Amino acid sequence: AQSVTQLGSHVSVSEGALVLLRCNYSSSVPPYLFWYVQYPNQGLQLLLKYTSAATLVKGINGFEAEFKKSETSFHLTKPSAHMSDAAEYFCAVGSGGSYIPTFGRGTSLIVHP
Amino acid sequence: EAGVAQSPRYKIIEKRQSVAFWCNPISGHATLYWYQQILGQGPKLLIQFQNNGVVDDSQLPKDRFSAERLKGVDSTLKIQPAKLEDSAVYLCASSLVSQGSYEQYFGPGTRLTVT
Repeated sequence: AQSVTQLGSHVSVSEGALVLLRCNYSSSVPPYLFWYVQYPNQGLQLLLKYTSAATLVKGINGFEAEFKKSETSFHLTKPSAHMSDAAEYFCAVGSGGSYIPTFGRGTSLIVHP
Repeated sequence: EAGVAQSPRYKIIEKRQSVAFWCNPISGHATLYWYQQILGQGPKLLIQFQNNGVVDDSQLPKDRFSAERLKGVDSTLKIQPAKLEDSAVYLCASSLVSQGSYEQYFGPGTRLTVT
């Protein structure tokens, strides 16, 4: 069984500030982990993924995430927020073999000028 | 390359009516998924196809929902009869293969409102 917990349904930051979106996972096998972004009235777009290679994963738009097995975490960060980063962010976990993905409830990122 | 296409983008129906959604995945993607995304929640998998066969439909309410992918390409999701709690965005996604390391590509979704 696998599950994802995203801490905080809403995160508010000022433009230029650090962005930190938290994701903890539970998986009985080595996981594959993903972060997706969803802009209003659009589908989900992949930001980055972890597939057991480097633990620090760099994605699009300046985002990165670090896989920490000891903490079962995969938090998403960006050094400096931009107004265009305002969106809903979803963490997801998969596993090897037949892929039955599990998504978190999402975190809404609000960026203030 | 063209993305995942879905239609219609919006649909409003009354309860007990029927509705159908269409999805055309990225060319060459063998795996197709239908998700239900209720406002304020993450996507919930309804059904997963591998080519034209069903891999997992354990969360599909089969008394009212049905889905098919007859030729292993595009797919249709139907609800009959609709209930108020079916109001949601229905997302279609595809991936190259059905393995956990492969990311999914999502369509824009169909927003269904049941009144």
